[in-house]
Amino acid sequence: GNSVTQMEGPVTLSEEAFLTINCTYTATGYPSLFWYVQYPGEGLQLLLKATKADDKGSNKGFEATYRKETTSFHLEKGSVQVSDSAVYFCALSEDGNNRKLIWGLGTSLAVNP
Amino acid sequence: DGGITQSPKYLFRKEGQNVTLSCEQNLNHDAMYWYRQDPGQGLRLIYYSQIVNDFQKGDIAEGYSVSREKKESFPLTVTSAQKNPTAFYLCASSNWKDLSTDTQYFGPGTRLTVL
Repeated sequence: GNSVTQMEGPVTLSEEAFLTINCTYTATGYPSLFWYVQYPGEGLQLLLKATKADDKGSNKGFEATYRKETTSFHLEKGSVQVSDSAVYFCALSEDGNNRKLIWGLGTSLAVNP
Repeated sequence: DGGITQSPKYLFRKEGQNVTLSCEQNLNHDAMYWYRQDPGQGLRLIYYSQIVNDFQKGDIAEGYSVSREKKESFPLTVTSAQKNPTAFYLCASSNWKDLSTDTQYFGPGTRLTVL
């Protein structure tokens, strides 16, 4: 079945460091790929998405490229801020009519000043 | 503002009591979802509904029930049959028929604690 694997956290970085959070997936068909962010005590917010191979999603300085050849959708940011401290979830949207999301386990990021 | 509201933010119940969590959306979305989140386990799908008066079990439906009488509302009841109900519950909605906009939008969540 379809699945998403994220790198385990927690990830701890200093402010202005480069961030990569790895995400790989297994899927049949052509899923859409998503990154969501969850700040402490809150619901999830969509950070970015990509709907087809080689698409790059970007938002708030974060980027991720849909790589079908490596089945990956790694999240990157060139210079993190303390306010980026959160849990990041990678997800894929199954093909077909139900459009359920398959979720990774989340990666916690802590950015120190 | 368009969005999803969940109430209350914190909920406490005694063991053995049923409790209903509210979820309302004014995004005109057809589909709504309930997830449970536990520390270190990501999100697990409880129930989802793609259209009014219809809903489907997710991966962990046992001990839960839902209804979808109105497009805007998708309440979740945690019954006494749910063995470990203490968790953070998240509601989401999406415009699933439009593949270009099938993003799920989330409410702020309800933290349920069973004493």
